[in-house]
Amino acid sequence: NAGVMQNPRHLVRRRGQEARLRCSPMKGHSHVYWYRQLPEEGLKFMVYLQKENIIDESGMPKERFSAEFPKEGPSILRIQQVVRGDSAAYFCASSPTSGGPYEQYFGPGTRLTVT
Amino acid sequence: AQTVTQSQPEMSVQEAETVTLSCTYDTSENNYYLFWYKQPPSRQMILVIRQEAYKQQNATENRFSVNFQKAAKSFSLKISDSQLGDTAMYFCAFMGPYSGGGADGLTFGKGTHLIIQP
Repeated sequence: NAGVMQNPRHLVRRRGQEARLRCSPMKGHSHVYWYRQLPEEGLKFMVYLQKENIIDESGMPKERFSAEFPKEGPSILRIQQVVRGDSAAYFCASSPTSGGPYEQYFGPGTRLTVT
Repeated sequence: AQTVTQSQPEMSVQEAETVTLSCTYDTSENNYYLFWYKQPPSRQMILVIRQEAYKQQNATENRFSVNFQKAAKSFSLKISDSQLGDTAMYFCAFMGPYSGGGADGLTFGKGTHLIIQP
């Protein structure tokens, strides 16, 4: 049973470029969450998605950041016109479709470096 | 908004000792969920233990147990017989009431860096 997959694991972008981070949830999971971890900090919630729906984006910066979780394929976190302050580790987590408040299972993260 | 506070940035103990990591939180909710996650040098986030606020019994997972004090809004993690592989960052996390449509985002503390010395 494969875990949460994220790619790429490392991404280097120059200022002004676009970054696309991908997340494939665990099999049977239809809830996806994105978090950002700045150096020496805990994870900060960004957005919660279900298939084709954004449920909660209260932690997402208002500009340059967007997320989607299409009917087919992985969830994508997109950062346009990256700046140095976007350098961080971005984690995706998934949880099961129904039932109780299941734990969130995390992927290995994507480390974004903006030069 | 909920907040989670971990007041110990770093702790160091000898192998086989018992260590307790502290966590306090602030919320106006009555039903919620608390978690401890471990992040080793690989940076993978690993769930250690979970506690439902409506349960009075403290959760236990092998060498890991919690001391959940709801009135004090305290949720400490005890690691018994510590091992070298326990060296990692430990994050306390809060999740609000389950709405039936899926769980909310987690609110994390800043973490405690635990070092197990041989």
